[in-house]
Amino acid sequence: KQEVTQIPAALSVPEGENLVLNCSFTDSAIYNLQWFRQDPGKGLTSLLLIQSSQREQTSGRLNASLDKSSGRSTLYIAASQPGDSATYLCAAWGTGQNFVFGPGTRLSVLP
Amino acid sequence: ETGVTQSPTHLIKTRGQQVTLRCSSQSGHNTVSWYQQALGQGPQFIFQYYREEENGRGNFPPRFSGLQFPNYSSELNVNALELDDSALYLCASSFPGTEGNEQFFGPGTRLTVL
Repeated sequence: KQEVTQIPAALSVPEGENLVLNCSFTDSAIYNLQWFRQDPGKGLTSLLLIQSSQREQTSGRLNASLDKSSGRSTLYIAASQPGDSATYLCAAWGTGQNFVFGPGTRLSVLP
Repeated sequence: ETGVTQSPTHLIKTRGQQVTLRCSSQSGHNTVSWYQQALGQGPQFIFQYYREEENGRGNFPPRFSGLQFPNYSSELNVNALELDDSALYLCASSFPGTEGNEQFFGPGTRLTVL
């Protein structure tokens, strides 16, 4: 059974810092891994999707990497801004035909 | 191209009642998945519908049921509501086989059971 964890649970940084969010999964037989952003009380916004054959994806200030052998993915946010404050969730899609989500990392970027 | 929409936005019910939540998939997507997100937790998979058939189910009791219609919109029905059913219910649509099966989520329905 796939289990997904995220570290840290919460993070508070000053504006402008580069930061890394971590996601770990127990079953390396995944088809893809997707990172999402969630604002309080809202739905999920897709940030990046990494297919199993890929090592990383980039979009603007965001870069996500995937290492299936170690069961890890990282989301790198460059030059953080107060508008980046949200909860970041990773989800792994495996053989169960559904996403298994981590609990999320709550990010606060202070001006 | 319209995104995923859900209705209603908020809903308040009492224990024992029944509720129906609705989801319209993104244009061109034939697969809809439903998730339950309790406060402070990640979403938990309820079930998925592909071309009007259930195509996978998470660890939820039978009182959680669903439908998918020919236009690929979907309903989630919950019978005999319990207090623990209070959560944000999210639906996601996708088109398997394209772009890594990327999931696109709606804004969610906030259900409160009193």
